[in-house]
Amino acid sequence: EIQLQESGPGLVKPSQSLSLTCSVTGYTITSGYDWSWIRKFPGNKMEWMGYISYSGSTNYNPSLKSRISITRDTSKNQFFLQLNSVTTEDTATYYCARSGYYSGVDYWGQGVMVTVSS
Amino acid sequence: DIQMTQSPSSLPASLGERVTISCRASQGISNNLNWYQQKPDGTIKPLIYYTSNLQSGVPSRFSGSGSGTDYSLTISSLEPEDFAMYYCQQDASFPFTFGSGTKLEIK
Repeated sequence: EIQLQESGPGLVKPSQSLSLTCSVTGYTITSGYDWSWIRKFPGNKMEWMGYISYSGSTNYNPSLKSRISITRDTSKNQFFLQLNSVTTEDTATYYCARSGYYSGVDYWGQGVMVTVSS
Repeated sequence: DIQMTQSPSSLPASLGERVTISCRASQGISNNLNWYQQKPDGTIKPLIYYTSNLQSGVPSRFSGSGSGTDYSLTISSLEPEDFAMYYCQQDASFPFTFGSGTKLEIK
C-alpha cells in the first residue's frame, strides 16, 4: 500500500524558513510520477505549490518561485519542501501528494498544519 | 493561470438525493479535470480523474462529466459518508489550480 506522510514543525516564525519532509512507503519515488506539495489555507482555498518529478526535475508555482525549493533524498525515499521568508499568509495545512499525467493526485498525505506566528 | 469557478459553494441535501456540483474553467482544459473529497479531519480522497474516470475504490454512485470549460460531479444517491467538501482541479496547464470548494451539508 502506498502511503505518504508529512512531518515538520507546526510553528514557524515570520521571516524564517518552513521545512517539511514527505516520507513515501510502498512506491519508489524514482520509479515514476510527480511528487507534489499542495497547501490549503484557512477558508478553503487550495494552492498547488510545485513538484519534483521522478527524474528529479522541478516545477514551481510562479507565485512562489523565488521562495520555494523542492528536493529529494532517493536513498530515504523522501522529498522535501523549503519555503523561505514566510509570513502569516503562509499559514496553512500542507499536503504532499503523488500525481501523474491523466491520473490527477491519486495519493495524498494526511496533511500537516503549519502556523506562521511570532 | 487558469481560474476554476466552482458552484455552489454550499449545497444542503438529504440522504438518497441526487446532487450535482459544477466547475467552470476560464479556458478550455481538454478534460484534464479531477475531483477530490475532503473530510472534516482534513483527509483528502481522490474521486475522479480526467473528467469521468473513477479512482480505485470509489463507489459507482459518483460520476463525472463535461468537456471544454464546463464540468460536473454527480452523486446519484447520497450516503451519510458523502457529506464533506468537494474540490475540482485542473491539470491541463501548470500551475495546476483548484476550485474554491463545495460544502455538501445535510439538509
